Amino acid sequence: DIVLTQTPLSSPVTLGQPASISCRSSQTLVASDGVTYLSWLQQRPGQPPRLLIYKISNRFSGVPDRFSGSGAGTDFTLKISRVEAEDVGVYYCMQVTQSLTFGGGTKVEIK
Amino acid sequence: EVQLVESGGGLVQPGGSLRLSCAASGFTFSDHYMDWVRQAPGKGLEWVGRTKNKANRYTTEYAASVKGRFTISRDDSENSLYLQMSSLKTEDTAVYYCVSWLSGVAYWGQGTLVTVSS
Repeated sequence: DIVLTQTPLSSPVTLGQPASISCRSSQTLVASDGVTYLSWLQQRPGQPPRLLIYKISNRFSGVPDRFSGSGAGTDFTLKISRVEAEDVGVYYCMQVTQSLTFGGGTKVEIK
Repeated sequence: EVQLVESGGGLVQPGGSLRLSCAASGFTFSDHYMDWVRQAPGKGLEWVGRTKNKANRYTTEYAASVKGRFTISRDDSENSLYLQMSSLKTEDTAVYYCVSWLSGVAYWGQGTLVTVSS
C-alpha cells in the first residue's frame, strides 16, 4: 500500500503570511497513464472534506488562487500564499494512483 | 451541480448490521468510480472501499480492516451507491462519506454518522 507522510503536523500561521505543507509518498504516484493522481483536501471544523487541488497542481472550481500545488514523483507541496481566517482547518493529501490513501493531516491554525 | 447525499447512519450494537445509501445527482453516475471513506471521531480519513464503473466490470476493492464484513454495491439505474455493513465493531464508529471520482477529481458528500455501541 502507498503511504503518504505529511509534515508538519501543525502549522500556526500569522494572518496574511504564507503556509506550506509537504506530502511525501512511499512510492511514485505516476500512474500507468502517465498522470500523477495527487490531490489536496481541506476540512474546516465540523465540515466534510473539500477538494482544493487535483493532479498535483490543478485548482478545483471555486478555489481561491492563493492555494497552489506543486511537486512530482514522490514529493508534493501545498502552499497558501497569504493565510486568511477561513483557511483554518485540517489539510490532507490524497492519492488515487493505486487504490486510495490519505496523508495523516496538517492542522492550520492562526497564531 | 454535483450532489452526494448519504443516509442510513445511526446507532447499532456490536455484531449488528447497517446499510448506508448514497444518492447521487448532477453527473453521469455510471461513468464514475465510487468510494466510501470514513472518519472516526477526532481522527483522520480512512478509505473503506470502492466500486469501479461498468466499463471496469463494477470491480470492488476493500480495505483490510473491513474486508469480509462490508459489501459495496451500486445501482446505476437509480444513481445510488450502497454500503452493507455487518459484524460491526466499536472501532467502526465514524462518519461515513460517499466519494465520487473521475479523472482525478473527487466529489464528497456531507457524511452520515454510524455509532457502534452497546
